[in-house]
Amino acid sequence: AQSVTQLDSHVSVSEGTPVLLRCNYSSSYSPSLFWYVQHPNKGLQLLLKYTSAATLVKGINGFEAEFKKSETSFHLTKPSAHMSDAAEYFCVVTYTDSWGKLQFGAGTQVVVTP
Amino acid sequence: DAGVTQSPTHLIKTRGQQVTLRCSPKSGHDTVSWYQQALGQGPQFIFQYYEEEERQRGNFPDRFSGHQFPNYSSELNVNALLLGDSALYLCASSSPRQLNTEAFFGQGTRLTVV
Repeated sequence: AQSVTQLDSHVSVSEGTPVLLRCNYSSSYSPSLFWYVQHPNKGLQLLLKYTSAATLVKGINGFEAEFKKSETSFHLTKPSAHMSDAAEYFCVVTYTDSWGKLQFGAGTQVVVTP
Repeated sequence: DAGVTQSPTHLIKTRGQQVTLRCSPKSGHDTVSWYQQALGQGPQFIFQYYEEEERQRGNFPDRFSGHQFPNYSSELNVNALLLGDSALYLCASSSPRQLNTEAFFGQGTRLTVV
């Protein structure tokens, strides 16, 4: 079965330090990969997406992710965490033949300390 | 553009009752997908509607049904509610004619079954 795995359920960082959220996907057909963020009591917001163009993808709010086919990974990074980055982050995969059906990872809860 | 709107935002129902949740897609989108997000988990795909028909379905029982109207809005119905149906229900709209288009999510409906 095609799936996506987020390797950390919780990540705690200090404000101003780098953030790394890890994601691996199962490889079959060419995937499209996304990172979504969910703030408390809010809906899901797209941070960035990979759709077989450039392997380094830049998103909103200073986030970026690198698609590595050889490692089947799509890790999310940000050079300097801000307090407003505290939220739940989801790595999401879909495939060309899936009509946009999204498969979500279990999520990574990010805590930012002053 | 109002984006994806869902109603109601919160709902409390008694076990065994039936519930209907509503979703209006983003302007220009013709495909609506529904997801269930249990507490502490990633969203799970319930089903997807396109051209007023259910195009694909996730691993959910027949108690979960839906409908799409000519204006592309959609309803999710759940019969014979169980305590385990308590979750955040998310609606996402997209336009599959644009390959690998992102899905836009509503704020969700928080359903509590008591």
